[in-house]
Amino acid sequence: KNEVEQSPQNLTAQEGEFITINCSYSVGISALHWLQQHPGGGIVSLFMLSSGKKKHGRLIATINIQEKHSSLHITASHPRDSAVYICAVPGAQGGSEKLVFGKGTKLTVNP
Amino acid sequence: DAGVIQSPRHEVTEMGQEVTLRCKPISGHDYLFWYRQTMMRGLELLIYFNNNVPIDDSGMPEDRFSAKMPNASFSTLKIQPSEPRDSAVYFCASSPLGGTEAFFGQGTRLTVV
Repeated sequence: KNEVEQSPQNLTAQEGEFITINCSYSVGISALHWLQQHPGGGIVSLFMLSSGKKKHGRLIATINIQEKHSSLHITASHPRDSAVYICAVPGAQGGSEKLVFGKGTKLTVNP
Repeated sequence: DAGVIQSPRHEVTEMGQEVTLRCKPISGHDYLFWYRQTMMRGLELLIYFNNNVPIDDSGMPEDRFSAKMPNASFSTLKIQPSEPRDSAVYFCASSPLGGTEAFFGQGTRLTVV
């Protein structure tokens, strides 16, 4: 079974700061997902990546397949970025559809 | 498209009662997933369907849980009988292809008292 570890568990930042959230997994994968869960509970898929880097606005996701590690960066953070960020990877014994999730990183950005 | 639609948004029921959660996936999506989220265990996959066929239900915790997808536009997750430890947020998600980004519904917050 693929084990997913996220760090930190909780992160508090001031508006404008550069944010980094980390995700490590134990078994090689085809792709990794980053999700955002808003305080209201809704979940949004941010990225799915299998190599290199992807960028969407102020969000950047990178992955190092050899090191089994991914990072999610937020540049010029804003209070509206406050949410829980969840990393997910395919389970070792399942297809790529069967995801295993990290426990999430709760980000709070203060004005 | 309105996205993945779940109902009800909130459900409070007494222990022993039957609970049915409903999901309408995005039209044209071949995959449908049911997830459960708790504080202790985070998000967990319960079951997923491909073209209305259950593919993997190994995440379903007990026989009290069952899921159906009678057609491409509707799925249900049923708990009978419900227990307090079933209290959680249940998410439905759909995706167009296997291994691609999933689109989540708003979730159903279930409380069993």
